[in-house]
Amino acid sequence: AQKITQTQPGMFVQEKEAVTLDCTYDTSDPSYGLFWYKQPSSGEMIFLIYQGSYDQQNATEGRYSLNFQKARKSANLVISASQLGDSAMYFCAMRESNAGGTSYGKLTFGQGTILTVHP
Amino acid sequence: DTAVSQTPKYLVTQMGNDKSIKCEQNLGHDTMYWYKQDSKKFLKIMFSYNNKELIINETVPNRFSPKSPDKAHLNLHINSLELGDSAVYFCASSRVSYESSGVFSYEQYFGPGTRLTVT
Repeated sequence: AQKITQTQPGMFVQEKEAVTLDCTYDTSDPSYGLFWYKQPSSGEMIFLIYQGSYDQQNATEGRYSLNFQKARKSANLVISASQLGDSAMYFCAMRESNAGGTSYGKLTFGQGTILTVHP
Repeated sequence: DTAVSQTPKYLVTQMGNDKSIKCEQNLGHDTMYWYKQDSKKFLKIMFSYNNKELIINETVPNRFSPKSPDKAHLNLHINSLELGDSAVYFCASSRVSYESSGVFSYEQYFGPGTRLTVT
């Protein structure tokens, strides 16, 4: 079964509008972390935002915020005031519990969503 | 200053050859990783090293051998290259915290990737 699911292969948004990229996850570990990464056409992977499973507040980083709904196992990325430079592939990833000290940050990635920002 | 660097950026070689990809991080992180991104952009972890010790070894053919001479370097050697090895290989690093309940890793920082083409 997929541990991380991104159901939107592609999304379009108008410049200056907000957009939500969906991510659902599946885990039975009580302690996990959720990450979003951006991969522009140049290929590098850029860390955007992190949410811990015990964090009470939704994470925010500038124009990025993470809409964390633990009961629904969703961790959607919200980009406000989209810019042309936001056009890229976006990946959701999960780090499961490190209890026992053996996973050391193994990230499981979703399939990615290609975001296109129109002028 | 480049945080995580990889060389070479592009690698074109013939089937059956042996090649290496080098990775260095200057972030002072304890843990380093190798990921493979296939032609469909799917990212999967291959290996993880913590303080030069192999921690994660996913089901990767034993033609792939990582080596970590020190905490700042993690190299990937591939023997007898096959067509299916063509992909982008990413190195990443993260810091970890050692808690009584286990080891917890923070966000991973990725190198620029090495595009390997096997002909």
